[in-house]
Amino acid sequence: EAQVTQNPRYLITVTGKKLTVTCSQNMNHEYMSWYRQDPGLGLRQIYYSMNVEVTDKGDVPEGYKVSRKEKRNFPLILESPSPNQTSLYFCASRGHHSYEQYFGPGTRLTVT
Amino acid sequence: TQLLEQSPQFLSIQEGENLTVYCNSSSVFSSLQWYRQEPGEGPVLLVTVVTGGEVKKLKRLTFQFGDARKDSSLHITAAQPGDTGLYLCAGARQAGTALIFGKGTTLSVSS
Repeated sequence: EAQVTQNPRYLITVTGKKLTVTCSQNMNHEYMSWYRQDPGLGLRQIYYSMNVEVTDKGDVPEGYKVSRKEKRNFPLILESPSPNQTSLYFCASRGHHSYEQYFGPGTRLTVT
Repeated sequence: TQLLEQSPQFLSIQEGENLTVYCNSSSVFSSLQWYRQEPGEGPVLLVTVVTGGEVKKLKRLTFQFGDARKDSSLHITAAQPGDTGLYLCAGARQAGTALIFGKGTTLSVSS
C-alpha cells in the first residue's frame, strides 16, 4: 500500500529537549516536505526536499532542521523546541513531475 | 500575503442541502487541487484540475477550474454527514513546485 508514515503520532516534551519526528514514504517520490498546521493559519511549509541531499527552506523554517540522506526518509529535527512550536505536523511526498501530494497521518506535538 | 483565499471559512448545513466552496486568487496557477481533511488525519487528495474551465465530478462533488486559472469552486449536492470535514484548496505554479494552500473551509453537515 502506497503511504507516508510518521512517528511518533503524539509527543509531549519540554522546552529545549531535542526531538526528531521521522517520515518515510514507499512511493519512490523525489519531493518531500514538512508542514505545520495551526488554527487560523492553515498549512504552512517548513522545509522541503527535491531529492536526496537537496533541501530548502519553506515559509516557516526557523527552529527546525531537516536531512535527506535517503530517498524514502525525511526526518524533522527540533534542536531546542519551544512552546510556539506546539502544533500539528504533516509530512508529505510527491513525484517530481506530479501535482498530487500525499500526506502522512500527522504528529501532534506539545512543548511545555 | 495569502495567495489563495477560501470562502466561506465555516459552513454549517443540514443534510440534503447543496453548498459551494470557493477558492480565489489574483495569481495564475498551472493546477489547483482540493483536499479533504478529517480530524486527527492528514489531508487526502480529492481532485486535481489543470485546464482552464475544466469541470470534474466525483459522485456528488463537482469541481471547476476558472477559465483564467485563478480560481476554483467545489460544489456538493445533497450533502451528507459523511461530508463533514475541512476542505482545502492548493495551487501549484508548475508541476513539482511547492503547493500553496488556502486556509480551508470547515464544513459541518448535521442530520
